[in-house]
Amino acid sequence: NAGVTQTPKFRILKIGQSMTLQCAQDMNHNYMYWYRQDPGMGLKLIYYSVGAGITDKGEVPNGYNVSRSTTEDFPLRLELAAPSQTSVYFCASSYGGGQGDADTQYFGPGTRLTVL
Amino acid sequence: KQEVTQIPAALSVPEGENLVLNCSFTDSAIYNLQWFRQDPGKGLTSLLLIQSSQREQTSGRLNASLDKSSGRSTLYIAASQPGDSATYLCAANTGGFKTIFGAGTRLFVKA
Repeated sequence: NAGVTQTPKFRILKIGQSMTLQCAQDMNHNYMYWYRQDPGMGLKLIYYSVGAGITDKGEVPNGYNVSRSTTEDFPLRLELAAPSQTSVYFCASSYGGGQGDADTQYFGPGTRLTVL
Repeated sequence: KQEVTQIPAALSVPEGENLVLNCSFTDSAIYNLQWFRQDPGKGLTSLLLIQSSQREQTSGRLNASLDKSSGRSTLYIAASQPGDSATYLCAANTGGFKTIFGAGTRLFVKA
């Protein structure tokens, strides 16, 4: 049981380049999330998904896109990378969506992205 | 708009000391509050989750309390150890899949 996995661990992009951050979970969780964490700040929600084929915007969605074709995978796409997207990106999943103990969110190890 | 604040931002204590980390939130309409631990360069590990109907949760040397009326949660760590050194974050779930995180308290326990 690997939990939540993310690839790559590190990446440097040039301004205007695109990339996809991969996230996968093997816990059969319905809910998945993408967060970004800037230095000295709390995590901010980018996008979330309540199940395969269903996604919605979080607090800071601009410049990102997501898809959820399977329960296990939730990739985050950056189009036209900008320096403001330099951050650490975390993927998380949970069984429940806010109604009980199943709400515990499990996090991946993160992807550190630098845009130059 | 929900805001979550953690004080202090950093804390250094000698080994063996009991300590309290504070978390405050502006909107008491929360579904639950969760405490996480984050080690440098790593992801977040869930420590405790308190439902809105609960007052506290305990796990080993950790005890978390929740007072919705005052907008506060505390994480109590008993008999601190150097291995407890990490950043501790609290997060308030306001429903609609929105979890608002505090900036964290960076804890250093000196041997």
